[in-house]
Amino acid sequence: DTEVTQTPKHLVMGMTNKKSLKCEQHMGHRAMYWYKQKAKKPPELMFVYSYEKLSINESVPSRFSPECPNSSLLNLHLHALQPEDSALYLCASGWTPSYEQYFGPGTRLTVT
Amino acid sequence: AQSVTQLDSQVPVFEEAPVELRCNYSSSVSVYLFWYVQYPNQGLQLLLKYLSGSTLVESINGFEAEFNKSQTSFHLRKPSVHISDTAEYFCAVKGGGADGLTFGKGTHLIIQP
Repeated sequence: DTEVTQTPKHLVMGMTNKKSLKCEQHMGHRAMYWYKQKAKKPPELMFVYSYEKLSINESVPSRFSPECPNSSLLNLHLHALQPEDSALYLCASGWTPSYEQYFGPGTRLTVT
Repeated sequence: AQSVTQLDSQVPVFEEAPVELRCNYSSSVSVYLFWYVQYPNQGLQLLLKYLSGSTLVESINGFEAEFNKSQTSFHLRKPSVHISDTAEYFCAVKGGGADGLTFGKGTHLIIQP
């Protein structure tokens, strides 16, 4: 089983709202990732968690705040987003950072 | 740092014809290589991976890719495509450390009946 789940599937939020994206995997993977994908573009790495510790932040604005409460769960807290932040947000996980990554279905975010 | 080049943004192919999607990479260190497929409004599915060992890797749905170190390539091939293969295909590379994937720009495979 290589399932990564993401909730919600769709999210519409105003620029003053605070919301969170959730990602869950029960495969025992110890590396988890957030990617952002704009329409007709490849995914771009945002954050890497390795063994529940943030190991990479790709210069992401502070209005995006990741959290890894335990080895199965990864959250992305959103605050004061801009319309240009509208995109598909993909979560992925892997056995360790050295192995392949399995992606969830994504959350399609629209900022109004 | 690594980079990936997918020269073809779009490849139209007739059903049951063979196809090759090209991928070239650049890296100063040993890399792992992957092909992912993305159907409309969905996440990415892992199609193939090269981590080590045999340079020819195969998927369960008839795709194969060959790692060529001298040409820094990892082209994806299928001998006979089906209408259901219509999708966006991304080649990706990563180093051995705790980094994420670096993707190519993607190739849209269009299967014509």
